[in-house]
Amino acid sequence: GAVVSQHPSRVICKSGTSVKIECRSLDFQATTMFWYRQFPKKSLMLMATSNEGSKATYEQGVEKDKFLINHASLTLSTLTVTSAHPEDSSFYICSATGSGGAADTQYFGPGTRLTVL
Amino acid sequence: AQSVTQLDSQVPVFEEAPVELRCNYSSSVSVYLFWYVQYPNQGLQLLLKYLSGSTLVKGINGFEAEFNKSQTSFHLRKPSVHISDTAEYFCAVTPNSGYSTLTFGKGTMLLVSP
Repeated sequence: GAVVSQHPSRVICKSGTSVKIECRSLDFQATTMFWYRQFPKKSLMLMATSNEGSKATYEQGVEKDKFLINHASLTLSTLTVTSAHPEDSSFYICSATGSGGAADTQYFGPGTRLTVL
Repeated sequence: AQSVTQLDSQVPVFEEAPVELRCNYSSSVSVYLFWYVQYPNQGLQLLLKYLSGSTLVKGINGFEAEFNKSQTSFHLRKPSVHISDTAEYFCAVTPNSGYSTLTFGKGTMLLVSP
């Protein structure tokens, strides 16, 4: 149980375009979802926390107009990287926590590798 | 606020040898503790967690960890490692009173060689 999926797993885009990444909880209701960014050989950096139906809470230094997060349902959150630039290239990972057995633990998606040319 | 220290950035070990990955934390409140594993180009997979009860917790893939409150440690152990255990291991904590964000350590790369 407690499976989280991400789509796409890998995306390459041109500079200036926007990219949407989906994060889904497959077998539980995700009341809270988290978006992380991971640089090579580094730990995870929390970008934002989103609760279903509410605006996301962004960490200090994360541009909310650049990284748009939507958590419209209890099973889906999306991260849109707007006007992407090469410095946005990174590994983006989502996680989710929910009710019942998934209440005290964050379950992570497989990640999305974004490359901006 | 919480902080997590993983003392070893890299641990090389031979196959079938035992291994211990160290994790110490700092917190002014009681915490839940987690170990996650990350294989190359993949997300994080939960290995085990301590929420309450027995301080020795067993996880997947033969791993176990012991919570030591006096030493504020949560070291991960496996009695005999396999090549397939080569991965990055992250220790993380969160306050146990109302869910909050995870604080991660910097990770320990476990390198298992034949």
